[in-house]
Amino acid sequence: DIVMTQSPLSLPVTPGEPASISCRSTQSLLHSNGNNYLGWYLQKPGQSPHLLIYLASNRASGVSDRFSGSGSGTDFILKISRVEAEDVGVYYCMQALETPWTFGQGTKVEIK
Amino acid sequence: QVQMVQSGAEVTKPGASVKVSCKAAGYTFSDYYIHWIQLTPGQGLEWMGWINPHSGDTNYAQKFQGWVTLTRDTSISTAHMELSRLKPDDTAVYYCAREKQAAYFDYWGQGTLVTVSS
Repeated sequence: DIVMTQSPLSLPVTPGEPASISCRSTQSLLHSNGNNYLGWYLQKPGQSPHLLIYLASNRASGVSDRFSGSGSGTDFILKISRVEAEDVGVYYCMQALETPWTFGQGTKVEIK
Repeated sequence: QVQMVQSGAEVTKPGASVKVSCKAAGYTFSDYYIHWIQLTPGQGLEWMGWINPHSGDTNYAQKFQGWVTLTRDTSISTAHMELSRLKPDDTAVYYCAREKQAAYFDYWGQGTLVTVSS
């Protein structure tokens, strides 16, 4: 199975400041079609997870442009350009290159 | 608009079975695979498996093979997940989610808490 490792696991942030989360996979997520099968999800308190970024760098519909995804192969980054209070929750990366699809452990983002 | 509406919370005893449903609305049910994901405090999110609503084909993660059964009823646009031989460790929130482009989940259900306790 592909193992996904996120860091940090806890991220205290200051509103207005940037933040970033790293996600590393044990195998390359680059498909022969040129896409990296990596997505980012946010689970806000009391809610279901929702999609932020798909195929490593594509922002999902309705997602703020403060969120961006980058990376290729085995190393990926989620960046928040300016953190807002509504961004708190647990962020997960997930690979969908092969089954079983696997998630990172989650990064809990909270306001300082 | 697209919605995935799951059945309500369940409380059950060890060794019992429970069936969770996920009703899809706002799109053609047979056109998108539906996946099931488990959320536990200790393990985080774990992918359990998918069902192709068109054909009924399924694929399970090894951990869930043999005690989880995915089915669908296309007449009511609903996917079902049956959990059998439940143990207290299976206490979790279970989500259904719609797959897009064989790569990500664009819509999730609200989650169903299954509690297994004697």
